[in-house]
Order: sequence, then C-alpha cells, then structure tokens
Amino acid sequence: SAVISQKPSRDICQRGTSLTIQCQVDSQVTMMFWYRQQPGQSLTLIATANQGSEATYESGFVIDKFPISRPNLTFSTLTVSNMSPEDSSIYLCSVKSRGGSYEQYFGPGTRLTVT
Amino acid sequence: GQNIDQPTEMTATEGAIVQINCTYQTSGFNGLFWYQQHAGEAPTFLSYNVLDGLEEKGRFSSFLSRSKGYSYLLLKELQMKDSASYLCAVRGNAGNNRKLIWGLGTSLAVNP
Repeated sequence: SAVISQKPSRDICQRGTSLTIQCQVDSQVTMMFWYRQQPGQSLTLIATANQGSEATYESGFVIDKFPISRPNLTFSTLTVSNMSPEDSSIYLCSVKSRGGSYEQYFGPGTRLTVT
Repeated sequence: GQNIDQPTEMTATEGAIVQINCTYQTSGFNGLFWYQQHAGEAPTFLSYNVLDGLEEKGRFSSFLSRSKGYSYLLLKELQMKDSASYLCAVRGNAGNNRKLIWGLGTSLAVNP
C-alpha cells in the first residue's frame, strides 16, 4: 500500500481567497486523484492528475476554479480558488495500488471551512 | 445514467452479524470495491470483487452477482470499532469509464 500525506490537515479561510493543498506519496505513481467529500456525502472526483500532462477534470469542475499541478511522480497540489462557503468540504488525495485489484488509497484529507 | 444504491443507515448489536447491500447500474463493470470510513478519517480499502461469488477476509466477506448488479458486505462478530460508514464503489469498463463511481455510503452504528 502507499503512504500518502496531505498538508494542511485543516484550514479556515475567508471568502474570495485561495488555498493550495499539497499531496505527497511515498512511491512513484502515474495517476493521482483529487476528491471532494462534502458533509454527509460520498466522494466526488474532481480531477485526475497525470505527471507531464494537464489534469483531466470531471463534469462540474473547471481548471480555473481548481488548478492542479503535478510536477513529479510523487507530488501534486490542488488549489481551491476564489473560495465561497459552498467550497467547505474535505479534500482527499488518492492513488491506485500497482497490482491486483488496483484499489485506491487515500490521504488523510484536508478539512476546509470557508467563512 | 450511472447509479449506486445503499441503505443510508443501519444499526446492529455487538457480536451480531450485519449485511450491507449495494445495487448498481453502471456503464460497464470492472470490479466492485468496499471501503470503510470512520468519522473524520479517510476511506480505507476493505474488499474487491470482480467475479461472481463470495470473497472472505477475516470477519468481513463481500459477495457479488454481476447479472443482478448486486453486492453485499457481511460483517461478523461485530465490534464497537466497526461503527463507521461503508462505501460501495464500482469501476467502469474502459477509457474514461474506468474511474470509480461511489455510493453515498451506509452509516453503521454498533450498539453494546
């Protein structure tokens, strides 16, 4: 399994500002996934980040609002831009295992509150 | 469209057995996953089924019927620490559909 760390673990931000979330993996991975989990809800995929190419965004998510960087095979960042209270959520970084069922492993999450 | 259904909440007693059901309608099928998520924590992988039948892993078992679009997670000898949300997720078949489609989760409360 992969060990994934995220920073910050939580933050309280003001409306209109931006926050960049960092995700570090202990091994090289091709794809990294960014999810959002709003209170009481399941996981929603924001985008898939591939090293060396632009991220692939899911329906309802755009690059201007959630720019993603993937400078190498162990690191990615997600920025939540021009935040509003509706962006209050837990943001999770995830990677796939290399073998077998290719199950996904998750980082501990970043709990964001926008006031 | 793509859809995964699970019960919202379940309650069970310590030491008992509980079955959490999941039905799905997806564009193609390439495996079904169960995850456990404790409050305030990230989801952790429990089981994977891609062929019909039962997969057993300690106190947890997972069953799949592809023809019925149905799976269940069986938890035996329940412990208090099993109180958590259980998420069912299905992987589509190919291309862009290989991403995971997630259910809303079943919140399980284990009472003494």
